[in-house]
Parts: sequence; structure tokens; C-alpha cells
Amino acid sequence: GENVEQHPSTLSVQEGDSAVIKCTYSDSASNYFPWYKQELGKGPQLIIDIRSNVGEKKDQRIAVTLNKTAKHFSLHITETQPEDSAVYFCAPCFSGGYNKLIFGAGTRLAVHP
Amino acid sequence: DAGVIQSPRHEVTEMGQEVTLRCKPISGHNSLFWYRQTMMRGLELLIYFNNNVPIDDSGMPEDRFSAKMPNASFSTLKIQPSEPRDSAVYFCASSLVPSGVTDTQYFGPGTRLTVL
Repeated sequence: GENVEQHPSTLSVQEGDSAVIKCTYSDSASNYFPWYKQELGKGPQLIIDIRSNVGEKKDQRIAVTLNKTAKHFSLHITETQPEDSAVYFCAPCFSGGYNKLIFGAGTRLAVHP
Repeated sequence: DAGVIQSPRHEVTEMGQEVTLRCKPISGHNSLFWYRQTMMRGLELLIYFNNNVPIDDSGMPEDRFSAKMPNASFSTLKIQPSEPRDSAVYFCASSLVPSGVTDTQYFGPGTRLTVL
């Protein structure tokens, strides 16, 4: 079956530092790799995604890198701000049919002023 | 757009009672997903509809759970009878999925269910 592992489970940084979260997956045919952010009391929201024909994608302070050979992708947040504090989920798409995302266990990021 | 709408936002009920959760997807989306989120199991996909037809219900925990999508703008998730272990946050998400392409799922705010 599909297996997704996300590390670390918690991450604490000082405002202005960088944060990196890594996700490994087992389905070698996965071709879509999104990251979701969940704030307290809200549903997960997409913050960035990447497809398998691209190695890196950047959107302002957020970037995602993909290593298909090693079957992992990472979320990079630079110049962290207190409002980045949330739970982040990777959710690689399972290749066995439709638009099925397999969510990791989540990383709780705390950015301290 | 108002986004995905879920109701109620909070539900407290007693064991054995029937619970119905409601979802209105984003207009024009053709795919709808029901998820359950708990501390122990994280985010789990319960059921997936495409063009109002259930495609994958392998995540539905047992016969006490049922889901319907009578039209493109409305879906329900029903639990009958409810049990304390059903306590969780239930999310509905919708997406527009062209054939063979994976795309963004937009989540609603969730329904927090507590079964006493």
C-alpha cells in the first residue's frame, strides 16, 4: 500500500530562520506532490505543489524540491514569520487511479518572535 | 467564491444517535472528498465522488457510515448509530479534475463531531 513519512513531527525556529520539512513516499509512480498548511480550527489549504517533470518550484518565501530517484520531496520556508506557525502536511498523489492524496502525519511548526 | 461550505461546524450527540454532516462543494467542481481527522490516525480519506458517483469508498470504516451526493452541489455523510470512537473532525474537499490530471483539493472548515 501507499506509505508516506514526514519529518520532523515538530519544529521550533526563531523568527527569520529557515525551516525545512521532508517527506518520503513509497509509490514510485506518483507524479504530483503538494504541501498543505493547516491553521488552528481550519481545513488544510494548499500552499505549494510540484509535478514530477520539475525538480524545484519557488513562490516567494516558500519552495518545494523533488528528488524522484530517492522518492522524497521537501518544503523550504525562508525568513520565517510568526504567521507561518501551523501544521504542515505533505500529500503525494497515489498513482493507482484518481486524484487520491495520501497525507503525511504532519509537522507542527512553531515560529517564535 | 464562498469556498467549500460545511454544516454544522460543531455537533455534540449521544452514543446511538444518527448524525448527518453536510457539504456544499465549490461551484463547477466535479470531485468531492470526505476526510476524517483524528490525533491517532491523522487525515484519512473516507470516500471519493466524481460527477456525483461514488468511486472509492474503501476508507469508510464500517456499515454505520454512509455518504450520498444527490447532485453536484450537495453531499451528506451519515453515521448511524454513532459511537464515541467516531469523535473527530470531518472535512469535505472538492476539486476540478480534468481527465487524467491531478489537481488542487479545496477543503472546507470541517465539522467537529463529539459523541458522548
